[in-house]
Amino acid sequence: AQSVTQLGSHVSVSEGALVLLRCNYSSSVPPYLFWYVQYPNQGLQLLLKYTSAATLVKGINGFEAEFKKSETSFHLTKPSAHMSDAAEYFCAVSEGPWGLTGGGNKLTFGTGTQLKVEL
Amino acid sequence: ETGVTQTPRHLVMGMTNKKSLKCEQHLGHNAMYWYKQSAKKPLELMFVYSLEERVENNSVPSRFSPECPNSSHLFLHLHTLQPEDSALYLCASSQGANTGELFFGEGSRLTVL
Repeated sequence: AQSVTQLGSHVSVSEGALVLLRCNYSSSVPPYLFWYVQYPNQGLQLLLKYTSAATLVKGINGFEAEFKKSETSFHLTKPSAHMSDAAEYFCAVSEGPWGLTGGGNKLTFGTGTQLKVEL
Repeated sequence: ETGVTQTPRHLVMGMTNKKSLKCEQHLGHNAMYWYKQSAKKPLELMFVYSLEERVENNSVPSRFSPECPNSSHLFLHLHTLQPEDSALYLCASSQGANTGELFFGEGSRLTVL
């Protein structure tokens, strides 16, 4: 079984400060890991993904995440926060590309972290 | 034209009503999903269709009935819902099982009175 824990349901940073959103996972097989972002009144959008290649993954909008197997973590960072980064961020895990019989991806999501960026 | 379109965006219904949520994807994908998003809870996978066949049903109550007439359209039929079913219902699509990337619609906000 797979699971995701996101520490901190709300994170507040100043504009220009470092953003760090934490994600720890549990998986019985080597995982695929994802960060999605949800802006107000919108669906989720993929920020970045780890699929067993480079452990440091770069995504859109200046975000990146590092897969650390020893810590079972996949924390999301951005060196300098911008007001437009205010949104809810979801970490998700999938046990490989095999997903479900016949196709499809079974992602398990965390509860989300609301990021607030202040002036 | 957005990749995944959901209608209606907002729906208010009584517990005895019957309504449907619609999802359409314009991405040529072969898998479609329904997720339920409630406050302070993880996204809950409800149904998955791959190549128009249901491949996952996560113990969803029978008052929710999905329908996938073709690879571009997905419906969620609703009847005799409960107030605790009020949530944001998200549709998503993907191409195969090898990327893990889901493309989401903007959701249908459902309120059950």
